[in-house]
Amino acid sequence: RKEVEQDPGPFNVPEGATVAFNCTYSNSASQSFFWYRQDCRKEPKLLMSVYSSGNEDGRFTAQLNRASQYISLLIRDSKLSDSATYLCVVNKGNQGGKLIFGQGTELSVKP
Amino acid sequence: DTAVSQTPKYLVTQMGNDKSIKCEQNLGHDTMYWYKQDSKKFLKIMFSYNNKELIINETVPNRFSPKSPDKAHLNLHINSLELGDSAVYFCASSPLALGLDTQYFGPGTRLTVL
Repeated sequence: RKEVEQDPGPFNVPEGATVAFNCTYSNSASQSFFWYRQDCRKEPKLLMSVYSSGNEDGRFTAQLNRASQYISLLIRDSKLSDSATYLCVVNKGNQGGKLIFGQGTELSVKP
Repeated sequence: DTAVSQTPKYLVTQMGNDKSIKCEQNLGHDTMYWYKQDSKKFLKIMFSYNNKELIINETVPNRFSPKSPDKAHLNLHINSLELGDSAVYFCASSPLALGLDTQYFGPGTRLTVL
């Protein structure tokens, strides 16, 4: 089983749609959870951290379920500029700073 | 005012050559990293340094040797390049080494080995 698993997609959605990405992780000792965004041929950039209570940043909502070892990202009212690959990232709980990246879920928002 | 910079951006070279990639961060962070992103887009950590000290060393061939002359710089030297080394190499930095905070990535170095 991969340490961090995501549906690779691609997800093709029209502008204005709501889209949800799922991610599961295998290490129950993990303490930090993030969603990063990577545009084509660019570096990954932090989109948002994910907290146990769930958190929202504008059109983006992240949820964490520690019992199920499951993380989600919801994007409401999709924009063309949301087209990118979304990376689920989890720290390796017993190896400090080591982050494990999922392979990413590709999103394409069409007019 | 680039936060994390890498040089070169593109590197095309022959098998068997030795090459270096340089990374610098001006964020004042204590920790720096090297990642490799292969053709399938998996991003995997290779090395991490905290205040010039190696703290993460993944299962990477010993042809890869990182060097951190100071905490703002982390260079990667690769000996005897192989076809399978072709990938995008990202440098990153973070304030701490605990994996609890944001990592800031450089623009990447696209290495092609012919």
